[in-house]
Amino acid sequence: ETGVTQSPTHLIKTRGQQVTLRCSSQSGHNTVSWYQQALGQGPQFIFQYYREEENGRGNFPPRFSGLQFPNYSSELNVNALELDDSALYLCAARDFSSSYEQYFGPGTRLTVT
Amino acid sequence: RKEVEQDPGPFNVPEGATVAFNCTYSNSASQSFFWYRQDCRKEPKLLMSVYSSGNEDGRFTAQLNRASQYISLLIRDSKLSDSATYLCVVYWEGAGSYQLTFGKGTKLSVIP
Repeated sequence: ETGVTQSPTHLIKTRGQQVTLRCSSQSGHNTVSWYQQALGQGPQFIFQYYREEENGRGNFPPRFSGLQFPNYSSELNVNALELDDSALYLCAARDFSSSYEQYFGPGTRLTVT
Repeated sequence: RKEVEQDPGPFNVPEGATVAFNCTYSNSASQSFFWYRQDCRKEPKLLMSVYSSGNEDGRFTAQLNRASQYISLLIRDSKLSDSATYLCVVYWEGAGSYQLTFGKGTKLSVIP
C-alpha cells in the first residue's frame, strides 16, 4: 500500500462544469504532484505543491488549480471542463527531503461528456 | 522532439523470452532516471531506478548512457505477470521543486 488515496474513483461531468478531485497521503509526504493521463499516453505533469504552496507547474491552463492542506490532503480543481479533460488524474506524494520515490494514488477517472 | 521518447510497442513475446525497451530523453540536465510499471487501469508503480553503471534487480537490468541520453530496460525469462505498460521516467530537480517527465509507455504482453 502506498498510503495515498484518491476520491472519487470515477466521475462523469458535463462540458463547462467544474470538478474537484481529492487526494490524501500519509504524514511526512510534504510534496504532492498531480498528473493527467489520457488514454494511451504517459502521465503529464500538471503542478506540484510543497508545504501548501505551488512550486512547479506543467503546460496546463489556469483553469487547472489546486490546494494542499496542512493535513497532507490536496485538491485538484478544474473549471470550465472540456471534452479533452477526460482522463485519469493521478496524485503522487513524496517526502521531498528524504527520498526520490513518489507514491501514486489509484487515480480518479474523469469522463467529460 | 518529445522530452521522453520510448519504443512505440506493443511487444508481444512468448513466456521465457528476453525483451528490451529503449528510451531517449532530451533534457541533458536531467538528474535521475526510472522505469515505472503500470498495469491496466492502475496507477504507475516504481520498478527500478537507473544508474550510469547499470543495475540489475533479478530478471530486470537497467542501463543509462548519459552521453547519448539513452535509457534501456532488459527483461529476461519473461513471465505472464510481466504483462504491463513500462514507462520511462526522467527526473529533474532545481530551485526547490522537481518534476517527473514520463514517456508514453511501451505495452508488453507475455503470451503463454
